[in-house]
Amino acid sequence: QQQVKQSPQSLIVQKGGISIINCAYENTAFDYFPWYQQFPGKGPALLIAIRPDVSEKKEGRFTISFNKSAKQFSLHIMDSQPGDSATYFCAAMIEYNTDKLIFGTGTRLQVFP
Amino acid sequence: DGGITQSPKYLFRKEGQNVTLSCEQNLNHDAMYWYRQDPGQGLRLIYYSQIVNDFQKGDIAEGYSVSREKKESFPLTVTSAQKNPTAFYLCASSISPRKRDRGNQPQHFGDGTRLSIL
Repeated sequence: QQQVKQSPQSLIVQKGGISIINCAYENTAFDYFPWYQQFPGKGPALLIAIRPDVSEKKEGRFTISFNKSAKQFSLHIMDSQPGDSATYFCAAMIEYNTDKLIFGTGTRLQVFP
Repeated sequence: DGGITQSPKYLFRKEGQNVTLSCEQNLNHDAMYWYRQDPGQGLRLIYYSQIVNDFQKGDIAEGYSVSREKKESFPLTVTSAQKNPTAFYLCASSISPRKRDRGNQPQHFGDGTRLSIL
């Protein structure tokens, strides 16, 4: 019940296209869902996050869509750029009750010019 | 600038040897974590510490040990009992959930140490 399932494992998108990464969770106590971006040889960095009181959050070209009833959330990268090529991790936690993040297995995104 | 510093960036271990990875943070965070990253397996929690002089095992603690003598430091020792230590090791820190507000990030990460077997 603590797992977060992420798909696809890898994704190839042409420049200007839309990249979509999906995650699903089981634990209905989760109340904070961040996405991390990781470049090779670097640590993950927080990209965008959402709480279940909204169904969508947008920051620039990055949008999280959240479906509470289906227990799913997804990251959409609009107008994908070669600089977006990285590994993306979704995660979930119970925000004010624990320090622990539960991570998905990651999606390696490659954007070709 | 505040952040997390991991050292060394690359480390090589001989058979039967213990090695220690350093993690220092100047963010005044209470909690610190160690993760192991293998290709296709995401981030797996090794140990975490919510307060000085206290730490808990994560999902894959066997073959590893930690200490938390200072708030700023959380070193990880990879012991000879860890038979497959080759991986990318990441340290992270966070504010205690009791002090957290909606503007705080959940966890900040260092830039990792890549450990290989000689």
